[in-house]
Amino acid sequence: NAGVTQTPKFQVLKTGQSMTLQCAQDMNHNSMYWYRQDPGMGLRLIYYSASEGTTDKGEVPNGYNVSRLNKREFSLRLESAAPSQTSVYFCASSELVGAEKLFFGSGTQLSVL
Amino acid sequence: GESVGLHLPTLSVQEGDNSIINCAYSNSASDYFIWYKQESGKGPQFIIDIRSNMDKRQGQRVTVLLNKTVKHLSLQIAATQPGDSAVYFCAENNAGNMLTFGGGTRLMVKP
Repeated sequence: NAGVTQTPKFQVLKTGQSMTLQCAQDMNHNSMYWYRQDPGMGLRLIYYSASEGTTDKGEVPNGYNVSRLNKREFSLRLESAAPSQTSVYFCASSELVGAEKLFFGSGTQLSVL
Repeated sequence: GESVGLHLPTLSVQEGDNSIINCAYSNSASDYFIWYKQESGKGPQFIIDIRSNMDKRQGQRVTVLLNKTVKHLSLQIAATQPGDSAVYFCAENNAGNMLTFGGGTRLMVKP
C-alpha cells in the first residue's frame, strides 16, 4: 500500500517551459489536492478535486491547470513556467473534501530558472 | 507559536522533556483542527486531529488541546525524542471547508 505517489521528485525547468506533475493514490479516496510550499511558509492550496470529474480552484491557482484523470490520478500542469513557481509541490488525498485528514505524497521539488 | 513568513519560530527542548507547540487560528466558525509533522525532505505526516465539540484529545505521547474562547490550539508531546525533531503545522477548516495551514513551528530536540 503505497499511499500517495508523486512523480518526479525533482525537476529543473527554464522559464517558459511546460511540464506535468503526476499524482496517484491507492486508498480509494474521493478527493485529491495540489499544494505548494514555499520556504518558511505553510501549505497553500492550488487546486482540488472533490470527486472524480470535478476540479476547483484553491487559494493560488494562477499559472496552473489540473486534470482528474480518474479516481486514482490527479495531475498538475504548468503551461509556461515562471521563476515564481519555484516551490515544493505536494499532492494529497482524503476520503471526502472538508473536515477530513489529508494524506500527503513526498513532494516534487521544482526549480524554474 | 505560528507565524507566516520566511523565518519559522523554533522551539528547542531537551530530550526527555515535554514539548508544547502553540497555534492561533483565525476563524471562530472552524470546526475541525489537525496537526501535521514534516521532516526534512518529506511530506507532512498526520499526527492528531480534533473536532470543535472536544477540548482535548490524546494519542500516543501526543495531546491536542483546543481553547475555542481564545481560538488557540496546542500540541503537547510527552518525553520528547530526537525523532520528534521536525516542523509542526496546525490546520483548520474554515471558509470553503478547506484546510488552511499555519506557517509552522520548528522543534529541535537536544540530546
